[in-house]
Amino acid sequence: GAVVSQHPSWVICKSGTSVKIECRSLDFQATTMFWYRQFPKQSLMLMATSNEGSKATYEQGVEKDKFLINHASLTLSTLTVTSAHPEDSSFYICSPGTNYGYTFGSGTRLTVV
Amino acid sequence: KQEVTQIPAALSVPEGENLVLNCSFTDSAIYNLQWFRQDPGKGLTSLLLIQSSQREQTSGRLNASLDKSSGRSTLYIAASQPGDSATYLCAATSGNTGKLIFGQGTTLQVKP
Repeated sequence: GAVVSQHPSWVICKSGTSVKIECRSLDFQATTMFWYRQFPKQSLMLMATSNEGSKATYEQGVEKDKFLINHASLTLSTLTVTSAHPEDSSFYICSPGTNYGYTFGSGTRLTVV
Repeated sequence: KQEVTQIPAALSVPEGENLVLNCSFTDSAIYNLQWFRQDPGKGLTSLLLIQSSQREQTSGRLNASLDKSSGRSTLYIAASQPGDSATYLCAATSGNTGKLIFGQGTTLQVKP
């Protein structure tokens, strides 16, 4: 089945710094990648959809200038949290969606101090 | 706009009990309905996927049903075990884009 490798698994960063999260499709080519986040004791919410070779689409309320998404190749999508603040502390997880059995990355736990 | 709700938010049962987790959705025009398991601090494991044309799916001790007309899905766990302790999420897909709308989850604790 489709395998998505997500890195890092966890990261602690200082306020004001940027953090990049990578999702790689190991055995397939992902034209689309969905990025979700999950705040403590809440469910997963879709943040944005990245599309290879074109601009990402963002859900309402998600700042596109703060959460930079790049999908420059069919095997790599990245999410960069810019100028991170403690309220950005969350669990971020990616998924290529329906064509690949709804597989998910293992998630990234971001803590901003 | 699709909204997904799960009840109860938390459930604690003794080992061996059969149990039912509930999921409701507002838009019956779903593409499919899925149940996932999430262990603390971990990613998601897909348990069962029910296509819109199906009524139920079974895998081992798990059985999921789908009633589009009433906007409901249930996950039945038979003979629960402590290893079943986790958060269970249901998610609806509207259209074939792969975009998932998740419920809030039910946190299950199975006591030995």
